[in-house]
Amino acid sequence: NAGVTQTPKFQVLKTGQSMTLQCAQDMNHEYMSWYRQDPGMGLRLIHYSVGAGITDQGEVPNGYNVSRSTTEDFPLRLLSAAPSQTSVYFCASSMDGSSSYEQYFGPGTRLTVT
Amino acid sequence: GNSVTQMEGPVTLSEEAFLTINCTYTATGYPSLFWYVQYPGEGLQLLLKATKADDKGSNKGFEATYRKETTSFHLEKGSVQVSDSAVYFCALTANTGNQFYFGTGTSLTVIP
Repeated sequence: NAGVTQTPKFQVLKTGQSMTLQCAQDMNHEYMSWYRQDPGMGLRLIHYSVGAGITDQGEVPNGYNVSRSTTEDFPLRLLSAAPSQTSVYFCASSMDGSSSYEQYFGPGTRLTVT
Repeated sequence: GNSVTQMEGPVTLSEEAFLTINCTYTATGYPSLFWYVQYPGEGLQLLLKATKADDKGSNKGFEATYRKETTSFHLEKGSVQVSDSAVYFCALTANTGNQFYFGTGTSLTVIP
């Protein structure tokens, strides 16, 4: 049972490039989400999904796309990278989105956009 | 709306000192409250949680009590260790939606 896995661990992009951050979980969780962590800002929700085929926007969705074709995977796409997207990105999952269940976090992807 | 406010850091304590990290919240409905811990270079891990008023969450010597009257969920530990050095996040999820809300985090350093 690997939990929540994220790849890559580190990434450097040039402004305007696109890329996909991968996230997978093997706990059969319905709810998955993406956060970015910036100094002094805590974690901010980018997008989330309550099940395969269902996604919704969080607090800071601009510049990011998501899709959820399977229960296990929830990739995050940066369409045209900007320096403001330099951050640490965390994927998380939980049984569902209700208040009863904790979220399990992946180890994070540190992204630098130059 | 929903939000979490926690005390600014960084906090530096000597080993065996008493720890309090304050957390207050604003929420619609009846939220569940969580404390997460992030060790250097790692993702967040659940430390403890409380799902209704007056519940006390506890784990690894840490405690927090869900106080509805003061909308607070302060984290306490009676005697900290060097291994407790980490960033601590207070969070809530409200039963009106599918979103978790995190505070800004409090960095704790414990010195021998």
